[in-house]
Amino acid sequence: EVQLLESGGGLVQPGGSLRLSCAASGFSFSGYAMSWVRQAPGKGLEWVSSIRSSGAPTYYADSVKGRFTISRDNSKNTLYLQMNSLRAEDTAVYYCARHISGDWGWDYWGQGTLVTVSS
Amino acid sequence: DIQMTQSPSSLSASVGDRVTITCRASQGISSYLNWYQQKPGKAPKLLMYLTSSLQGGVPSRFSGSGSGTDFTLTISSLQPEDFATYYCQQSSSTPITFGQGTRLEIK
Repeated sequence: EVQLLESGGGLVQPGGSLRLSCAASGFSFSGYAMSWVRQAPGKGLEWVSSIRSSGAPTYYADSVKGRFTISRDNSKNTLYLQMNSLRAEDTAVYYCARHISGDWGWDYWGQGTLVTVSS
Repeated sequence: DIQMTQSPSSLSASVGDRVTITCRASQGISSYLNWYQQKPGKAPKLLMYLTSSLQGGVPSRFSGSGSGTDFTLTISSLQPEDFATYYCQQSSSTPITFGQGTRLEIK
């Protein structure tokens, strides 16, 4: 059974940093591209970042480019999102998601982790 | 960036109704269009990929069609568990973008 389990969310002050993790199991993690998608409270879905199965290249939404870094450790079956210079508008539930093979959509999603940026 | 516009934004319907949700892309995306269902407090669930391919485990009352800029998701006979928010998403080019969502409510 495919499972994605996010962790690392919490309350952080504006300008602060946070690292999210997503532990994958039930599939060959190194064979899939992965992404982070977020959802602000009461809002729609927003793609944040993606990473190819090998770790490169990486892709970012303009709203996070230069502040967030996606990475993965295929030996640990884990996806990461390093978030720096956090802003109030980054407040959201962050989901990790597995890419559909050969497509930029997602067939499996984690349960999400809430990041709240507030003073 | 490719903008995705869904209509309607909300919809009231009854169990057994046939429902269609429309998604329009600001430029052609071929068949690179996916649909998701999301229930409150839950992660999105993939329903359809590449416009008309039904994801495994999804009931056959869901169907998708379209190409280029105009797409539809149809639910042939609404069931109680179908009341949720639906999102379209283009997978043609980055930045990947979603429609704003269609909230399907019980009449």
